[in-house]
Amino acid sequence: DAKTTQPTSMDCAEGRAANLPCNHSTISGNEYVYWYRQIHSQGPQYIIHGLKNNETNEMASLIITEDRKSSTLILPHATLRDTAVYYCIVSSTGDYKLSFGAGTTVTVRA
Amino acid sequence: GAVVSQHPSRVICKSGTSVKIECRSLDFQATTMFWYRQFPKQSLMLMATSNEGSKATYEQGVEKDKFLINHASLTLSTLTVTSAHPEDSSFYICSARPPGFIYGYTFGSGTRLTVV
Repeated sequence: DAKTTQPTSMDCAEGRAANLPCNHSTISGNEYVYWYRQIHSQGPQYIIHGLKNNETNEMASLIITEDRKSSTLILPHATLRDTAVYYCIVSSTGDYKLSFGAGTTVTVRA
Repeated sequence: GAVVSQHPSRVICKSGTSVKIECRSLDFQATTMFWYRQFPKQSLMLMATSNEGSKATYEQGVEKDKFLINHASLTLSTLTVTSAHPEDSSFYICSARPPGFIYGYTFGSGTRLTVV
């Protein structure tokens, strides 16, 4: 699986949009970009995933650059409950494994 | 939908004893499940892939005789930590991928193991 690079931590204000960047410059053509988050002492929670096109669901939006070498997860209106570690992962559908990096620790402040 | 249930959520055991952790897919069948371990302030590390009806596949450095995995049905995988030692104390998490792909991978809520 391709490796990803994320900032170690970031703060954002409650009610504002949180933009989480991820670099995956060695991504292969058949690899998807997944985002998960882990709230303290819980299992990871699926947020969103995409291949080429931008994606949006009830939790977030995923913006993938045209060359697919980077992406941004957008939490449109961050709340205190969004405080968590966010993981950006690339994986192909043929490979069931997910490899977690260090992720970005996001702290939403009131 | 697409829920993975893990039990127990927390367990304390004495050094030298064995502990079994269960992972169930509640509303879907999972031919493959995954077991991760997470130490404090660290990321998740994949330990093994559990395959229904066949042997598990272990990641490099994970002792298969210490971490016994059984995937006897399409909805249940178990991880048994044998002869547990304090260094085995960790957060163990299982996951599975529901059919249809749209849900990505679903994770259990984790089991906090403390060996005393």
